[in-house]
Amino acid sequence: SQTIHQWPATLVQPVGSPLSLECTVEGTSNPNLYWYRQAAGRGLQLLFYSVGIGQISSEVPQNLSASRPQDRQFILSSKKLLLSDSGFYLCAWRSEGGAGQPQHFGDGTRLSIL
Amino acid sequence: GNSVTQMEGPVTLSEEAFLTINCTYTATGYPSLFWYVQYPGEGLQLLLKATKADDKGSNKGFEATYRKETTSFHLEKGSVQVSDSAVYFCALGGGNTDKLIFGTGTRLQVFP
Repeated sequence: SQTIHQWPATLVQPVGSPLSLECTVEGTSNPNLYWYRQAAGRGLQLLFYSVGIGQISSEVPQNLSASRPQDRQFILSSKKLLLSDSGFYLCAWRSEGGAGQPQHFGDGTRLSIL
Repeated sequence: GNSVTQMEGPVTLSEEAFLTINCTYTATGYPSLFWYVQYPGEGLQLLLKATKADDKGSNKGFEATYRKETTSFHLEKGSVQVSDSAVYFCALGGGNTDKLIFGTGTRLQVFP
């Protein structure tokens, strides 16, 4: 069966520090991968998605970037964090080619910026 | 473009009450529809889905029917429990997009 792992679960970082959040998927090949952010008490905002290695689509211009160095690895990064980057970050995957299929989410990373 | 509209929350119910959370959509073509549930501090879990008109998705006592004539996918449960307290998201996918369109979420609070 397929599983998705995100880490760390929680992170506290000072303003201006770098960020690296990692997401890996097991049990499937060439999945679509997604990064979302959820502000406290709010809905989901799609940040980036990828349909293959090295292919990244950015949905919102901002202080973050994403990379997909391997088929089942998706990384969210920042060179300098802002206070507004605080939130709950969720990674998700979906089967390749399954436009009508659901996405499956990780447990999320709660990021607090001080 | 495609969109999903959910009823505003919070929805507050007593245990064993009947639940309805409304979801309507706008889409071209024949989308798939989903309900996700998010418990406090956790990621989203797929609750149920329907891929074509008149399909009924069901799971854990929750049901939703894909109504093309009313462009709706309302979530229902006959008798809610305190453990159902969570945020529920309606979502739409399919067609020529790789993305899901999510509603804004509806918080459900169930009291004993």
